[in-house]
Amino acid sequence: GENVEQHPSTLSVQEGDSAVIKCTYSDSASNYFPWYKQELGKGPQLIIDIRSNVGEKKDQRIAVTLNKTAKHFSLHITETQPEDSAVYFCAASSRGGADGLTFGKGTHLIIQP
Amino acid sequence: DSGVTQTPKHLITATGQRVTLRCSPRSGDLSVYWYQQSLDQGLQFLIQYYNGEERAKGNILERFSAQQFPDLHSELNLSSLELGDSALYFCASSLWAGQGLGNTIYFGEGSWLTVV
Repeated sequence: GENVEQHPSTLSVQEGDSAVIKCTYSDSASNYFPWYKQELGKGPQLIIDIRSNVGEKKDQRIAVTLNKTAKHFSLHITETQPEDSAVYFCAASSRGGADGLTFGKGTHLIIQP
Repeated sequence: DSGVTQTPKHLITATGQRVTLRCSPRSGDLSVYWYQQSLDQGLQFLIQYYNGEERAKGNILERFSAQQFPDLHSELNLSSLELGDSALYFCASSLWAGQGLGNTIYFGEGSWLTVV
């Protein structure tokens, strides 16, 4: 089945700087890669996603890039703000979703004032 | 607010007991998923139902079972509970069946289960 590795496990950046979180996946058949943000006491919330036929997608301060050849994808957050502090999860879906979303272990993003 | 409602929010029970977690999907969503989140295993897919039928199975133990009712709400039954079953259980829903291909999956706020 699919295996998703996520790095780093903790990332601390100064407010206003950029943050990058990286994930690799193992199943070349995976074709959908969502990113979720989880705040304390809440469920994961989808923030952006990308399909395998697209190399990059942007939504205001966040962007995701996908390298199918290398089987890795990344989340980029620019001009970080205190409200960006949370745990971020990457995920991959293979076999048309028949195995469910496979999540990375998460990255705790800390925005330092 | 994702629109996915889970009850109870917190539950403490003893080993060997059985509990039922309940989920109401977002209005109009036909697919319901259950995920388990623990510190050591992370977020793990358990099972998916689509319009009342089991659609996909993940790492769900035989002691656990689920169902989706005609009104589309779902229940996750956990029996013969062990200490290691303590975790946050999430229900999620989406419009249709595929867990990929842009079928956005919305998560509820979870049910905290503590087994003592």
